[in-house]
Amino acid sequence: GDSVTQMEGPVTLSEEAFLTINCTYTATGYPSLFWYVQYPGEGLQLLLKATKADDKGSNKGFEATYRKETTSFHLEKGSVQVSDSAVYFCALSESGSNRLAFGKGNQVVVIP
Amino acid sequence: NAGVTQTPKFQVLKTGQSMTLQCAQDMNHNSMYWYRQDPGMGLRLIYYSASEGTTDKGEVPNGYNVSRLNKREFSLRLESAAPSQTSVYFCASSEADGQGAYGYTFGSGTRLTVV
Repeated sequence: GDSVTQMEGPVTLSEEAFLTINCTYTATGYPSLFWYVQYPGEGLQLLLKATKADDKGSNKGFEATYRKETTSFHLEKGSVQVSDSAVYFCALSESGSNRLAFGKGNQVVVIP
Repeated sequence: NAGVTQTPKFQVLKTGQSMTLQCAQDMNHNSMYWYRQDPGMGLRLIYYSASEGTTDKGEVPNGYNVSRLNKREFSLRLESAAPSQTSVYFCASSEADGQGAYGYTFGSGTRLTVV
């Protein structure tokens, strides 16, 4: 079935550093891809999305490009802030489906 | 807008007790979902409702029941709570956008401890 794989382990980095979180997917059709963010003590919030190959989703300085050839949707930010400390989830849904498959999430800790 | 509202925010139960987690959305979404979140396990789907009047099992339905009371409300019931049900529970709703992608809106969660 459809699945999403995120890199193992938490990510710790200094303020203003470059952030990359890897996400690869397995899907039978042409899925939509999402990144969600969960701040401490809160629910998940949609960060960005892309619905077709080569689309780039962007929001709050974060970007991710839908790469069909490598089945990837890596999240990047050029200069992180302490306020970006959160858990980040990659997710996909098949075209027309209301079901999301989530990755296990990555804890990001930004140190001042 | 309130979005998705969950009650209660915190609850402690004794083993064997029952309770209902409430969820309501004000976005006129058709689809609603219940997830549990456990350390190292990510989010796991318990039940979902594609539209008013329908419910379906997700990955981990055992020990739970749901009711889609109307389009706005989707409740999750634990009939006889067990320590393994200690978790954070999230309700979500969704609707397709213009490109057919379903973006989810989540509630802030219910932190349940079963002792």
